[in-house]
Amino acid sequence: DTAVSQTPKYLVTQMGNDKSIKCEQNLGHDTMYWYKQDSKKFLKIMFSYNNKELIINETVPNRFSPKSPDKAHLNLHINSLELGDSAVYFCASSLKDTQYFGPGTRLTVL
Amino acid sequence: GDSVTQMEGPVTLSEEAFLTINCTYTATGYPSLFWYVQYPGEGLQLLLKATKADDKGSNKGFEATYRKETTSFHLEKGSVQVSDSAVYFCALSARGGSNYKLTFGKGTLLTVNP
Repeated sequence: DTAVSQTPKYLVTQMGNDKSIKCEQNLGHDTMYWYKQDSKKFLKIMFSYNNKELIINETVPNRFSPKSPDKAHLNLHINSLELGDSAVYFCASSLKDTQYFGPGTRLTVL
Repeated sequence: GDSVTQMEGPVTLSEEAFLTINCTYTATGYPSLFWYVQYPGEGLQLLLKATKADDKGSNKGFEATYRKETTSFHLEKGSVQVSDSAVYFCALSARGGSNYKLTFGKGTLLTVNP
């Protein structure tokens, strides 16, 4: 009965590959997000969706493509992975101003 | 644009010591303010929040007061425990239309020794 869940928890892959991370929330929230946390723990928003509609796209390379099949799910697909994509990716959902985060996906690009 | 500045870590304390982590913000309008905590290897958990000036958020012995005059939201705890060791993030949520966007500080690593 986890509120915001992500899969996989760990993802190790080679440069140039394409990978996806999935996120699901059972809180009934309308808005979902993707954040990237770098090695220094700095958190930066990547995307925000509201009712399956893209609201925020924060200067993210177009190799990153979010997809929201319904308002409970927001997936992140990454093409042509680069070394600099190695990070922890967090999904979140919100009701108004308060966001609730998933456990994170640690992506390592070799 | 909006920004959050919090004290650089790491902060190392002994058990039962008093904790303060400073946080100041810059924002247009009237943001909501948050503290999130990230325990080792885990995601971010909401620790407390305050939505308007002079509000005090509190949870698990932690407190923070929304001070509009000093644009601050300092986190305090009277007696820390080893289990409080984590990274603490101050954040603000500003509304743009129907959407809210969180802006985080850089995080402060707290280590509590027995």
